[in-house]
Amino acid sequence: DAKTTQPNSMESNEEEPVHLPCNHSTISGTDYIHWYRQLPSQGPEYVIHGLTSNVNNRMASLAIAEDRKSSTLILHRATLRDAAVYYCILRDKNTGFQKLVFGTGTRLLVSP
Amino acid sequence: DAGVTQSPTHLIKTRGQQVTLRCSPKSGHDTVSWYQQALGQGPQFIFQYYEEEERQRGNFPDRFSGHQFPNYSSELNVNALLLGDSALYLCASSLFGRGESYEQYFGPGTRLTVT
Repeated sequence: DAKTTQPNSMESNEEEPVHLPCNHSTISGTDYIHWYRQLPSQGPEYVIHGLTSNVNNRMASLAIAEDRKSSTLILHRATLRDAAVYYCILRDKNTGFQKLVFGTGTRLLVSP
Repeated sequence: DAGVTQSPTHLIKTRGQQVTLRCSPKSGHDTVSWYQQALGQGPQFIFQYYEEEERQRGNFPDRFSGHQFPNYSSELNVNALLLGDSALYLCASSLFGRGESYEQYFGPGTRLTVT
């Protein structure tokens, strides 16, 4: 399984943008980049995913480097509810079986 | 539309006992995965069921077993419990498919404490 590297923790103030980095230097051409987050006392929830191009949805944006060896999850305006552990995960698109390999993620702290 | 449900919410067992955890997937989903999450760690993949068969397995001993029923619900069984089995057990459901990635939906988990 290709591995990802994330900072252990990051801090932000409410209503400011947050950029969460992820390094995945051994990514293969068929790996999707997924982001999940886990709010306190809850199971993980899907945030966004992408393959090559930048992606936007109602929750966040995903910026993927041209060489695909790194990506950045962007929360445009952090809220207190965004305080969570964010996981960057790679998944091979050629398999229908969807094991997710979680690392330790980045703990995002949001201050009022 | 109900999401992924798990039961029970909390469970306390003694070393050496056996436990069964249950999961109902999100409506329309056909694949169920189980994960173990120790305190302060990310979830670790245990196994995945599709069409009532175990399709993928993580690095867990065969004390961990499972089952998927025709209605796609699933059970996780753990025999001969050890103190180290204390964790949050998460169930996730998804739709089988290659190509475009399908997100997994997680339940709230079952907190197992082994004493």
